[in-house]
Amino acid sequence: AQKITQTQPGMFVQEKEAVTLDCTYDTSDPSYGLFWYKQPSSGEMIFLIYQGSYDQQNATEGRYSLNFQKARKSANLVISASQLGDSAMYFCAMRVYNQGGKLIFGQGTELSVKP
Amino acid sequence: SAVISQKPSRDICQRGTSLTIQCQVDSQVTMMFWYRQQPGQSLTLIATANQGSEATYESGFVIDKFPISRPNLTFSTLTVSNLSPEDSSIYLCSVDPQGGTSVTEAFFGQGTRLTVV
Repeated sequence: AQKITQTQPGMFVQEKEAVTLDCTYDTSDPSYGLFWYKQPSSGEMIFLIYQGSYDQQNATEGRYSLNFQKARKSANLVISASQLGDSAMYFCAMRVYNQGGKLIFGQGTELSVKP
Repeated sequence: SAVISQKPSRDICQRGTSLTIQCQVDSQVTMMFWYRQQPGQSLTLIATANQGSEATYESGFVIDKFPISRPNLTFSTLTVSNLSPEDSSIYLCSVDPQGGTSVTEAFFGQGTRLTVV
């Protein structure tokens, strides 16, 4: 069965510093994608970054990068130069190619950025 | 990318009534998904809605409680029936523009925050 694990219920980071949010996954399927979403208090899910299981390079999108370690089945999100507006819930999710397109989510990490 | 408009953004409903949530996409998509997020919890898939066929429900979710319509490739509705306080959640629709043939894209509507009193 597929599973996503986020072991950090809450994280604090000082403004302008970098922070890493952990995510490990479990699947036996070779074709999958890993996603990170940001959910502010408004409740919307904002797509941040995507990593495919066959991608050779780690994904980057502006201040977001994904540290993909396939052998360890981890897909950690790195946010550089944290801003106060980064305070939110962050969810890691996985989609397996042959499972009909649904996303499986981790429990989330609440990030608080301190001024 | 796909732009998804979800309505209403929030509602307060009396127990025993129903709420219908609409999801409109700016392009044709094969697959639409409905998720529930209970307070303080992660997202759980309710069902997958494909145009022209019955929705496929996940374990623990039934059509009588969560009827779904998918009349065309850009629109879907989720109804939450016979509301109880336990239904208070955020409900989100999501689309896969690639129709499930790619793992690269997954976009969400703004969510509907439902409170049942």
